[in-house]
Amino acid sequence: QSALTQPASVSGSPGQSITISCTGTSSDVGAYNYVSWYQQHPHKAPKLIIYDVSNRPSGDSNRFSGSKSGNTASLTISGLQTEDEADYYCSSYTSDNTYVFGTGTKVTVL
Amino acid sequence: QVQLVQSGAEVKKPGASVKVSCKASGYTFINYAISWVRQAPGQGLEWMGWIGAYNGNTNYAQNFQGRVTLTTETPTSTAYMELRSLRSDDTAVYYCAKVRDYWSGDRNWFDPWGQGTLVTVSS
Repeated sequence: QSALTQPASVSGSPGQSITISCTGTSSDVGAYNYVSWYQQHPHKAPKLIIYDVSNRPSGDSNRFSGSKSGNTASLTISGLQTEDEADYYCSSYTSDNTYVFGTGTKVTVL
Repeated sequence: QVQLVQSGAEVKKPGASVKVSCKASGYTFINYAISWVRQAPGQGLEWMGWIGAYNGNTNYAQNFQGRVTLTTETPTSTAYMELRSLRSDDTAVYYCAKVRDYWSGDRNWFDPWGQGTLVTVSS
């Protein structure tokens, strides 16, 4: 199972919106609405920010939103803030009853 | 609150084995699966496998087939990951995470995560 493809880095200024893509195949991202996204700050465990393509955990920031079209999922961060500077990973359930992560995207707030 | 607490850091020699534990609390252990994920220094997340706590069913990533064994101990709500024939490139932080509702097959996301266990493989 190959890793899902994400851009290595994305940057934006405070207040702007950025979008991170996550491209898989018809056996993972395209097959199920089981795409999730994680935020990871340095030396910390990953934190769930989006599940089932577009759902946010209760109490979490509504500046994070997710969507999917075909084999590509996307995470949008609106109103970019300095604390959003982190690594972001997508994940998908697969037709082999396994899971796969994306290659990861480093978000920089300029 | 739902929490996963992992065992402490390990230093192993090449060829040895390591066993990392992950103790769950705050939910009914047997209703969900536990997944293991590792992260080499400066690298991304790599999914290793999952185990259903109810019946011990497992599924492993191809990269780890034959070298990793996942188990659970339901009376103590603890999951274990054993990795054998360690190599220097197995040096990584190993995480456990709660995943997948056993009964519905839904809840296919990783939350929460354990704090991570650093395994260093060095001669």
